[in-house]
Amino acid sequence: DSGVTQTPKHLITATGQRVTLRCSPRSGDLSVYWYQQSLDQGLQFLIQYYNGEERAKGNILERFSAQQFPDLHSELNLSSLELGDSALYFCASSVQGQMNTEAFFGQGTRLTVV
Amino acid sequence: QQQVKQSPQSLIVQKGGISIINCAYENTAFDYFPWYQQFPGKGPALLIAIRPDVSEKKEGRFTISFNKSAKQFSLHIMDSQPGDSATYFCAASGGAGSYQLTFGKGTKLSVIP
Repeated sequence: DSGVTQTPKHLITATGQRVTLRCSPRSGDLSVYWYQQSLDQGLQFLIQYYNGEERAKGNILERFSAQQFPDLHSELNLSSLELGDSALYFCASSVQGQMNTEAFFGQGTRLTVV
Repeated sequence: QQQVKQSPQSLIVQKGGISIINCAYENTAFDYFPWYQQFPGKGPALLIAIRPDVSEKKEGRFTISFNKSAKQFSLHIMDSQPGDSATYFCAASGGAGSYQLTFGKGTKLSVIP
């Protein structure tokens, strides 16, 4: 168990809908990262938050947004969902703001858009 | 542009054999090279990591070899076991910000008895 908790584990929703994925980082970790894993693209970095502030953006669509709350949990909001958004979404956390130290991944949320 | 190229895509090794997975990178600013192991239904878990000031790092049956001039690094799994069957990802981080890991596409390892 990595100590990073993601909910829900599975989500099935229809095209055009909006969903929220939740992540609780390991105790003491200030940084949260969101990654998307699909079969053809591998693990793609979406966005990072550090102590409540957005730190870096990767290949995140405009339909997607995230935030990190004062208690350091984070939420990833996906809207106007398309079939191609079906993927595994992982959250990772680390103590520091940079990802050149150990980062711990949650078990992921499997999103299926039908 | 894929900055970390990983090969092979899949690998079948007999129990007790050596599994070797290779990665090559382009960005010379990278200064942290971790390997992650992922089992089906689970998130990636850090296996071993290396920084470019050393050419090799060993932890148990797992060894990273690093060649800075060739911009390549590899994972060797000695005495491979069926329990090692998983997908392995190399990754790299570093340079301005170092805010993300850039992952290779993964290698699915199957260790057969």
